[in-house]
Amino acid sequence: GNSVTQMEGPVTLSEEAFLTINCTYTATGYPSLFWYVQYPGEGLQLLLKATKADDKGSNKGFEATYRKETTSFHLEKGSVQVSDSAVYFCALSGNTGFQKLVFGTGTRLLVSP
Amino acid sequence: NAGVTQTPKFQVLKTGQSMTLQCAQDMNHEYMSWYRQDPGMGLRLIHYSVGAGITDQGEVPNGYNVSRSTTEDFPLRLLSAAPSQTSVYFCASSSSRTSGSGHNEQFFGPGTRLTVL
Repeated sequence: GNSVTQMEGPVTLSEEAFLTINCTYTATGYPSLFWYVQYPGEGLQLLLKATKADDKGSNKGFEATYRKETTSFHLEKGSVQVSDSAVYFCALSGNTGFQKLVFGTGTRLLVSP
Repeated sequence: NAGVTQTPKFQVLKTGQSMTLQCAQDMNHEYMSWYRQDPGMGLRLIHYSVGAGITDQGEVPNGYNVSRSTTEDFPLRLLSAAPSQTSVYFCASSSSRTSGSGHNEQFFGPGTRLTVL
């Protein structure tokens, strides 16, 4: 079945540091890939997405590229801020009908001033 | 638009008690779903619905019932709560109309934190 593996946290960084959170997936066919973010005490919000190979999703300075050859979708940001502290989830879904989301375990990011 | 709303925000139950977690959306979305979030396990799909009167099981359906009598509401029922159901529960909704990218974004509610003693 489909699955998502992402690096365990927490990831602890200083403000303005470079961020990478690794995500790899196993899926049949051609899934869509997502990063969701969960701020403390809140629900999940879609951060970015990519729906086909070599697509780059981007939002709020975060980027991730759909790499089919390595089955990866790593999240990057060039300069993190304290306000980026949150839990980040990598996820995949199919592309037809009800698109069941399969999530990774989540990676907590802590950014200090 | 209020988006996806969930009540209550917090709930404590004793083993064997029953309760219903409420979920409502005002975006006229056809698809609705329930996930549970547990430490180290991400979110897992419990049940989902593709329209009023139609529901199906997800990855972890045991111990939960759902029904969908209206487009707006999708309640989750725990018939006899167990400590293993201690979790944070999220409801989500999405449109059946495919966007240009072929993906329909799922919108999540703020969650219900449930503790079963």
